Amino acid sequence: DAGITQSPRHKVTETGTPVTLRCHQTENHRYMYWYRQDPGHGLRLIHYSYGVKDTDKGEVSDGYSVSRSKTEDFLLTLESATSSQTSVYFCAISESLRGGSSTDTQYFGPGTRLTVL
Amino acid sequence: AQKVTQAQTEISVVEKEDVTLDCVYETRDTTYYLFWYKQPPSGELVFLIRRNSFDEQNEISGRYSWNFQKSTSSFNFTITASQVVDSAVYFCALSEGANSKLTFGKGITLSVRP
Repeated sequence: DAGITQSPRHKVTETGTPVTLRCHQTENHRYMYWYRQDPGHGLRLIHYSYGVKDTDKGEVSDGYSVSRSKTEDFLLTLESATSSQTSVYFCAISESLRGGSSTDTQYFGPGTRLTVL
Repeated sequence: AQKVTQAQTEISVVEKEDVTLDCVYETRDTTYYLFWYKQPPSGELVFLIRRNSFDEQNEISGRYSWNFQKSTSSFNFTITASQVVDSAVYFCALSEGANSKLTFGKGITLSVRP
């Protein structure tokens, strides 16, 4: 199994509070991703990182920010949580192949269940 | 824009039946990758297979087989002699270009009854 951990695994918070989710990898992979999973939507990409301090937006980035100061850690922040951000959040990692582009398989962490009341 | 359609939402079969999960994709790229992931009731996402657009060979792994047909933009997954442990949500996904961003289908919930 890929060495990916997510913390916390479960969190309940109130609307308007800031929340930070952490993804930690031990594989030294270049690429890291944050997805959210909601019923009827599958998984949708929030943000991703292609290196330290290099990040970009995904499909559903509004209301989220990310940071990557070290290869092994990728943080997802909800600056002011809303009920629509109640979801299961998955982190994923992948290696980059020759040429720098990553077309390798993504391996997923165990997920974080976030409830915003 | 890329898109993945899993038209079946829920499938229920009796153990030992064969079952096929359909996946249809849309992309303008000539180079792309297709994936299947399994999400058992415990919630983790398990990688099953990765296939690139230049390799249309069907693949078999034990009771699992995959049929990739570019002519119909489909990448279907068949489980032969299903077992209760196959009960899960199965996702098909598409990746194109750099950075490997995955576009997922909405998933198919498979229930295998004893």
